[in-house]
Formats: sequence, structure tokens, C-alpha cells
Amino acid sequence: EAGVAQSPRYKIIEKRQSVAFWCNPISGHATLYWYQQILGQGPKLLIQFQNNGVVDDSQLPKDRFSAERLKGVDSTLKIQPAKLEDSAVYLCASSLGLRDSSSGNTIYFGEGSWLTVV
Amino acid sequence: AQKVTQAQTEISVVEKEDVTLDCVYETRDTTYYLFWYKQPPSGELVFLIRRNSFDEQNEISGRYSWNFQKSTSSFNFTITASQVVDSAVYFCALSDPYSGGYNKLIFGAGTRLAVHP
Repeated sequence: EAGVAQSPRYKIIEKRQSVAFWCNPISGHATLYWYQQILGQGPKLLIQFQNNGVVDDSQLPKDRFSAERLKGVDSTLKIQPAKLEDSAVYLCASSLGLRDSSSGNTIYFGEGSWLTVV
Repeated sequence: AQKVTQAQTEISVVEKEDVTLDCVYETRDTTYYLFWYKQPPSGELVFLIRRNSFDEQNEISGRYSWNFQKSTSSFNFTITASQVVDSAVYFCALSDPYSGGYNKLIFGAGTRLAVHP
């Protein structure tokens, strides 16, 4: 079974520029997540989708970050304009459902998109 | 509020040593899940184990074992006879799927394990 796919793997941009990351979740997974992982820290949830609807974006800096999942499958995360503190790994993840007790709500992660803002 | 604490920032061992990674969590909920993930240098978070709050049985999978103790709010991870391939950052995480948390994972800061030949 194919895992969570992300691209690009690496991106270097100057501050105030924009960047977009793409994610394709595991087939059949209704819930998609974007996490931000700053060097030396654990991942932090930015936004969570159930199909194409947002269920939690409380920690998304909405003045510069946006995300969409228009057809309930692929998702894009955009940063505009980027700041130095946005340098991090952006991890996409997916799970079967919001409260899928049969699988224990296991969340599977992609390899991440590494962003450096200079 | 929910919180996960991994007090060990870095651990260094020699191959074949046993090593235990500590995880302490805080939650007011009675139903929750605990997880361990491994993050090798490639960056992907690899799922290792899930444990629900009603199952306190310890689990063993090959060289890996987990000790869940609700009385001390701990979910520790032991690697027996460590190998160089075990070198990675290990994260403990907590999720509450039934209380408006919508399956949000709360991660600890991680423990970097270095296994030397």
C-alpha cells in the first residue's frame, strides 16, 4: 500500500517569498493533517481536514498560511509571505477517519517537506 | 490541558545495550490513545505502537517493548539489544479521539537515540 506522498522534499526561499507544498494521502483516508516540525521540537498540528472540510485550524497562522483540500483527496499548504521562523519540516499525514476506533485513530505520516527561509 | 513530556533529550548507547525511553503524559480524559513514532534521518515519522487507555497490558514486538502504567501516567519504551539502525529520534504522542480533540496528536519533544558500534 502506498504511503503518504509529499512534494517537494526540499525548498529554499527568501523571506517574503511564497511557497506551496503538496500532499497525497493514503488511499481511502478521509482525514488529512498538516503538521509543522521546527528543528529540535515535536510536530505541531497546523490544520486538519475531514474530506474537504476543515475541522481544526486553530494553530494555523492565517495571516500567512493557507491550506485547501478541494476534492477531498490531495491537499496543498501555502505560505505567503514567508518569514525566517517558518523554517521547518512540514509533515502531511492521514488517517481513516476522525474517530475511527477500530484502528485506534492511527495517523500515518509522509516524509515531509523541508523548508529553509533565508 | 494535554501534555507529553520526554525528559531525555539525547541518549547514547553502545550496540547491544538495552535502552529505555521515558514518556510521561497529562490528560483529564478517561479515554485516550498513546503512540510511539520513530523519526529516522529521512524525516518520515514511522508508526511503532498505539495503546488505548483501557489496555494496560505491556506489549512486546521483537526487540521492542512498551510499559504502560496509568498510575504514574507513563508509557515507556524499551529497546533490547540495541542496534545501529535504531538510531533515530523517538516521539511519544497522546490523542483524545472522543472529546472534541478530533484525533489531534500532542507530541513530546522527542528523544534522540544514538547507538554506536
